[in-house]
Amino acid sequence: QVQLQESGPGLVKPSGTLSLTCAVSGGSISNTNWWSWVRQPPGKGLEWIGEIFHTGSTNDNPSLKSRVTISVDKSKNQFSLRLTSVTAADTAVYYCATLVRDTFGVIISYYFKYWGQGSLVTVSS
Amino acid sequence: DIQMTQSPSSLSASVGDRVSITCRASQSISSYLNWYQQKPGTAPRLLIFAASSLQSGVPSRFSGSGSGTDFTLTISSLQPEDFATYYCQQSYTTPRTFGQGTKVEIK
Repeated sequence: QVQLQESGPGLVKPSGTLSLTCAVSGGSISNTNWWSWVRQPPGKGLEWIGEIFHTGSTNDNPSLKSRVTISVDKSKNQFSLRLTSVTAADTAVYYCATLVRDTFGVIISYYFKYWGQGSLVTVSS
Repeated sequence: DIQMTQSPSSLSASVGDRVSITCRASQSISSYLNWYQQKPGTAPRLLIFAASSLQSGVPSRFSGSGSGTDFTLTISSLQPEDFATYYCQQSYTTPRTFGQGTKVEIK
């Protein structure tokens, strides 16, 4: 059973950089899964931020206008998120999640199977 | 981006009721549709993947159906622990997008 744990500052100043790390236990980060970040502003819905494969290949949400960097550290079995130029609109609970790749005949399905507990990050001076 | 629209946004139901939530994609996504349950203060929990496959450990009262653009999550007999917010999510392409959520409340 894979377990994920987010860590990082809970308070970031406007125009600063949000940095979070997700530690992976119970499995290797170098498998067939993608490693993702999803956020949820207070009282609102879920927004996908981006994902990384152990090779370093990434996908991210264009709505975040190139402010996102996701990286992986295989030696520590963890991956990280950096979000630059933050504003109050970036205040949210940030989740790391495992995007599992599963095959059904000719269909390859992806779904978020494992989630961290979430880390609230507030952007405020 | 593929837009995911859920209906209703909220509903009130009683224990034992049959409940259905619909999710519509802005373009065809085949069966690349997942459903999650989220309770306050906790992370989302996977219920259904690939439109109709029940995740291990999820009660059989949950079921999913649909393909293309229209999908449904059904709870056959609502239990007290099912009061929560439900999200659909497409995995057809990036950016991966979620519906806005459907809150199921006690009547």
